[in-house]
Amino acid sequence: QKEVEQDPGPLSVPEGAIVSLNCTYSNSAFQYFMWYRQYSRKGPELLMYTYSSGNKEDGRFTAQVDKSSKYISLFIRDSQPSDSATYLCATPAPGAAGNKLTFGGGTRVLVKP
Amino acid sequence: DGGITQSPKYLFRKEGQNVTLSCEQNLNHDAMYWYRQDPGQGLRLIYYSQIVNDFQKGDIAEGYSVSREKKESFPLTVTSAQKNPTAFYLCASSILGGNQQPQHFGDGTRLSIL
Repeated sequence: QKEVEQDPGPLSVPEGAIVSLNCTYSNSAFQYFMWYRQYSRKGPELLMYTYSSGNKEDGRFTAQVDKSSKYISLFIRDSQPSDSATYLCATPAPGAAGNKLTFGGGTRVLVKP
Repeated sequence: DGGITQSPKYLFRKEGQNVTLSCEQNLNHDAMYWYRQDPGQGLRLIYYSQIVNDFQKGDIAEGYSVSREKKESFPLTVTSAQKNPTAFYLCASSILGGNQQPQHFGDGTRLSIL
């Protein structure tokens, strides 16, 4: 079992819809969670960074962490074609030297005009 | 503008050839990382460095080598021992200070076999 898992998609939605993305993780010691957005042929860019359970909002983006279920989510409201990208969740390995991040495989999102 | 610059954007390797991928950052970050990205597999850590003249192997270091002679630079060499080098290579950097610091990425180098 991979430590962090994501559905690869593609997830196709019409413009204006809510995009719902999620990751599951296996290690209950994971504490910090990050969402990265990656456009084709580009490097990942940090979108959201959360710690502990609950919600965090930033503009159209909401990150949610449910530690009891080992489940993290990212919601994108009022989706735009420019949101079409691959979304990666990541978490630092607890106690690991050098700030090693463990990534999910990414979910590809297509927002159709 | 501060950031991470990777070059070249595309690189081709012949059989038996070593190739070097460049990564430079002007963010004044202490830590730098190299990842390999294959379709559907997410990012896998090749090497990382927390300080000049020191680096550690990641999960898939075999067939790769690195150096860290300057804080700003962390080049990756893909050696002929790496039998499946075709992938998208990403360099990242971060501030040190606990394992919760997010990493910032360059725009990658795509390596292919001729």
